[in-house]
Amino acid sequence: EDQVTQSPEALRLQEGESSSLNCSYTVSGLRGLFWYRQDPGKGPEFLFTLYSAGEEKEKERLKATLTKKESFLHITAPKPEDSATYLCAVQADTGRRALTFGSGTRLQVQP
Amino acid sequence: KAGVTQTPRYLIKTRGQQVTLSCSPISGHRSVSWYQQTPGQGLQFLFEYFSETQRNKGNFPGRFSGRQFSNSRSEMNVSTLELGDSALYLCASSFSGFTEAFFGQGTRLTVV
Repeated sequence: EDQVTQSPEALRLQEGESSSLNCSYTVSGLRGLFWYRQDPGKGPEFLFTLYSAGEEKEKERLKATLTKKESFLHITAPKPEDSATYLCAVQADTGRRALTFGSGTRLQVQP
Repeated sequence: KAGVTQTPRYLIKTRGQQVTLSCSPISGHRSVSWYQQTPGQGLQFLFEYFSETQRNKGNFPGRFSGRQFSNSRSEMNVSTLELGDSALYLCASSFSGFTEAFFGQGTRLTVV
């Protein structure tokens, strides 16, 4: 069974204080790993897809990396508007199209 | 281009009733997936449709069903509602089901 574990559950940062969120996964074969951002009461917003170990993707203050067992979402010099829940999901290469999500990391960036 | 549209945004239903939720995917996307999100269980996969066919199903009881129309729009139905069905129901649209999925804003269902 595919499993995704995210840590920490919650993270409070000062504006400008860089940090990383972790996503550990267990999947029979990885087709893709996805990062989403979710604001309260809204649907998840797509951020990145990573397909193979060593791959990196960047968008503004966010950078996602992937190894064979985990992914990191690095947040550089965060701003209060980066406050949200960040979700990680995996899709297995079994032909099953379902995404298996982690429980998310609630990030709060204080000014 | 327009995103994924879910209607209605909010619903309040009584136990035992049934409900139908609607999802219009991004133009050109043929895969529509449904997820249930609750504080305790997080995001859980319900089912996925592609070209009007259900291709995958999650571990939910038969009270949860869906369908997809020829224009790729999808509906999800829950019959005999239970209190535990209260959740945010999210629809995700993807070109093929193997590419990134884009979510709608969700339908917040409250069962009283």
